Amino acid sequence: KAGVTQTPRYLIKTRGQQVTLSCSPISGHRSVSWYQQTPGQGLQFLFEYFSETQRNKGNFPGRFSGRQFSNSRSEMNVSTLELGDSALYLCASSLGGAPPPEQYFGPGTRLTVT
Amino acid sequence: GQQVMQIPQYQHVQEGEDFTTYCNSSTTLSNIQWYKQRPGGHPVFLIQLVKSGEVKKQKRLTFQFGEAKKNSSLHITATQTTDVGTYFCAGPGSGGSNYKLTFGKGTLLTVNP
Repeated sequence: KAGVTQTPRYLIKTRGQQVTLSCSPISGHRSVSWYQQTPGQGLQFLFEYFSETQRNKGNFPGRFSGRQFSNSRSEMNVSTLELGDSALYLCASSLGGAPPPEQYFGPGTRLTVT
Repeated sequence: GQQVMQIPQYQHVQEGEDFTTYCNSSTTLSNIQWYKQRPGGHPVFLIQLVKSGEVKKQKRLTFQFGEAKKNSSLHITATQTTDVGTYFCAGPGSGGSNYKLTFGKGTLLTVNP
């Protein structure tokens, strides 16, 4: 079974630009969660989607948004990029449910904002 | 909101020494999960504990869930260089946040061969 894939793997953007990251979950997984990982803050939850519905959102500004498609693939968008948005963005897929079962992480997208 | 704290932040050991990382939650957890992230890699699920006082072993790794379900620990016996990485614990939210996992900041383990 193929693992979670994320594209692109690396991205360099300028302040003020916007960016879209993509995540393809493991086949059969309907839940996709997004996390921001930085050295100082660790892994911080952004949002979780299940069957195209956002069920939970973390404490991030509205510049961070996401969506999920009918095939469970998910995208996240960050608008008006700031230097502090430089981070590793990880998505994780699972079968869904509450509490969340084991998460399968993708390799991440390394975003650098200059 | 819910907080999950891990100590120590860093631990350097000689190969063959034991290692323990501790995880504490500000709220009672329905379960706790542990993940390992190798340098340059992504988090990989290790185990989930559900019952109060539960102890689970995976070869040299021993995981415990506290009686009050607010703390947990991971103990590695006789560390090896392959154990290098950051170990995270994660707990689910409750109420309206029950589809969310809150991660501790992790313990970075380095092993001197």
